[in-house]
Amino acid sequence: IVLTQSPAILSLSPGERATLSCRASQNVSNYLGWYQHKPGQTPRLLIYDASNRATGIPARFSGSGSGRDFTLTISGLEPEDFAVYYCQQRGIWPPLFGGGTKVEIK
Amino acid sequence: QVQLQESGPGLVKPSETLSLTCTVSGGSISPYYWSWIRQPPGKGLEYIGYISYTGSTNYNPSLKSRVTISVDMSKNQFSLRLTSVTAADTAVYYCVRDLGIALAGPSFFDYWGQGTLVTVSS
Repeated sequence: IVLTQSPAILSLSPGERATLSCRASQNVSNYLGWYQHKPGQTPRLLIYDASNRATGIPARFSGSGSGRDFTLTISGLEPEDFAVYYCQQRGIWPPLFGGGTKVEIK
Repeated sequence: QVQLQESGPGLVKPSETLSLTCTVSGGSISPYYWSWIRQPPGKGLEYIGYISYTGSTNYNPSLKSRVTISVDMSKNQFSLRLTSVTAADTAVYYCVRDLGIALAGPSFFDYWGQGTLVTVSS
């Protein structure tokens, strides 16, 4: 299985909406999650099982999709949201991460 | 608040064995799944394998022949051994706790150690 994230880099301004894509080469049902990773910090779980926000995650982060196509949406970028985002599937062994999307300040 | 801390050598020679320990504080090993994940410099995240609080394990097929994960409940620790290392094993190694939503096996990872860089070089 392969997880392909697009785009590789997303250049946006604070306040804008970010839409990140993750496509699986096989059906993973809804068993997909999203992480945020900032330099010098540990990855932070944002979304699990496609659309469930993890504990303490702001409502501006939302996830959708099922099967092979998934989307992470950040409804209005805050300065602290500029980071690398990874998707991860748990539907097929072993758990696998996508290559990441870097959300950078335009 | 659960905290995880990796420990072990930061430099390992080629062909030798990489050994890391993760100490869990602020919570118990039971009843969770515990995993190791690594990130080579400039690359993405790679799942290595897990151990459950019962001691059951499973490993990424790409590393299975070289990996052993063990747990010491009395010390609230779990460990990683990776044999016959090469430069390709140079990475930041993270120990992580599972979110615990799957009926069996790992799901997603909600607590992470800070990560430790292990360099394979002579």
